[in-house]
Amino acid sequence: NAGVMQNPRHLVRRRGQEARLRCSPMKGHSHVYWYRQLPEEGLKFMVYLQKENIIDESGMPKERFSAEFPKEGPSILRIQQVVRGDSAAYFCASSPRQGGSYEQYFGPGTRLTVT
Amino acid sequence: ILNVEQSPQSLHVQEGDSTNFTCSFPSSNFYALHWYRWETAKSPEALFVMTLNGDEKKKGRISATLNTKEGYSYLYIKGSQPEDSATYLCAFMFRGNMLTFGGGTRLMVKP
Repeated sequence: NAGVMQNPRHLVRRRGQEARLRCSPMKGHSHVYWYRQLPEEGLKFMVYLQKENIIDESGMPKERFSAEFPKEGPSILRIQQVVRGDSAAYFCASSPRQGGSYEQYFGPGTRLTVT
Repeated sequence: ILNVEQSPQSLHVQEGDSTNFTCSFPSSNFYALHWYRWETAKSPEALFVMTLNGDEKKKGRISATLNTKEGYSYLYIKGSQPEDSATYLCAFMFRGNMLTFGGGTRLMVKP
């Protein structure tokens, strides 16, 4: 059973470009979470999605960031017009159900560098 | 703003030593507490999910306890080995989805 997969693992973008980060959850998992780790900081929640629905986006910056989890295919975190401050590691996690008693399984992360 | 604090920030021990670290979190609106082990360049790996006051969980040489009334959890490692070297994260869940992480305790075990 493959774990959570993220690609690309490393992404370099110039300021003003768009970044698309993909996350394929574990098989059978329909709940996806995105977290961000800025340099020298801890993991911070960004957004929680179920298939075709955004459930909680309270941690996502209001501008330039969007996320989706379509019926088919991976979850996508999209950052438009990237700035240097977007440089971070972006992790996605998945779980089989909603609820605190379920583990969230993390992917290896995408390290975004904005030059 | 939820505050999840972990102490110490880092810890150096000798192989064979037993050690423990603390996670403190808000005692109200508790839903669950998660512990993760995170090795450099790898994904955070779930260790325990704890939901009930007084919970004690064990996996091999690692165990954890939970006190939701006073808002703390301890993680214990018995007989530390070099392969236990990692950052140990706790994460508080007060709604059924969002994890708020502490800053982690970085453990280094010297052979």
